[in-house]
Amino acid sequence: KNQVEQSPQSLIILEGKNCTLQCNYTVSPFSNLRWYKQDTGRGPVSLTIMTFSENTKSNGRYTATLDADTKQSSLHITASQLSDSASYICVVSDRGSTLGRLYFGRGTQLTVWP
Amino acid sequence: EADIYQTPRYLVIGTGKKITLECSQTMGHDKMYWYQQDPGMELHLIHYSYGVNSTEKGDLSSESTVSRIRTEHFPLTLESARPSHTSQYLCASTGGQGYEQYFGPGTRLTVT
Repeated sequence: KNQVEQSPQSLIILEGKNCTLQCNYTVSPFSNLRWYKQDTGRGPVSLTIMTFSENTKSNGRYTATLDADTKQSSLHITASQLSDSASYICVVSDRGSTLGRLYFGRGTQLTVWP
Repeated sequence: EADIYQTPRYLVIGTGKKITLECSQTMGHDKMYWYQQDPGMELHLIHYSYGVNSTEKGDLSSESTVSRIRTEHFPLTLESARPSHTSQYLCASTGGQGYEQYFGPGTRLTVT
């Protein structure tokens, strides 16, 4: 069964600290993996998209890694800010259909305290 | 920020009412999607469209219907709202061969 599992479910860190969020998936075949940031009451906004051949991609203070062999990804946030408080969602796309089906994780709820 | 809009942002309505959630995008994207998301849960695809006059049901069974008469417009309709329809509804679009999926701000629906 194609699944996307994220950990931890929630995380609290102090402003300025770094953190790493994890994503494990069983989706096959694999096309790409995305990390989204979703603020409360808003739609998700894309942070990074990685295909099979990419193992790291950065977007400012966000760095995503991908190990397609172990089917794991991580999102590292450097020097956290209060505005980083949000849900971070891992999404994996397969290439087994014309739809390019997306599989969503439940997200990690990050809270940054001052 | 993506040019995809949803109205209303919040809606509280009584059981049995007919409602239409609006979604429009100005990016000329062919593919559009509706997702349902409950608090703390993953997004579930309920409808999608590859273009004008093309609509398909998604993975999650839904009593809603959609239409795609114009490229930029993808409304979702509930003929008779029930409390079980209470949720957040997110519209998204993708253009061309790209992977990027752009989301609207969502509609928070509460059925009393």
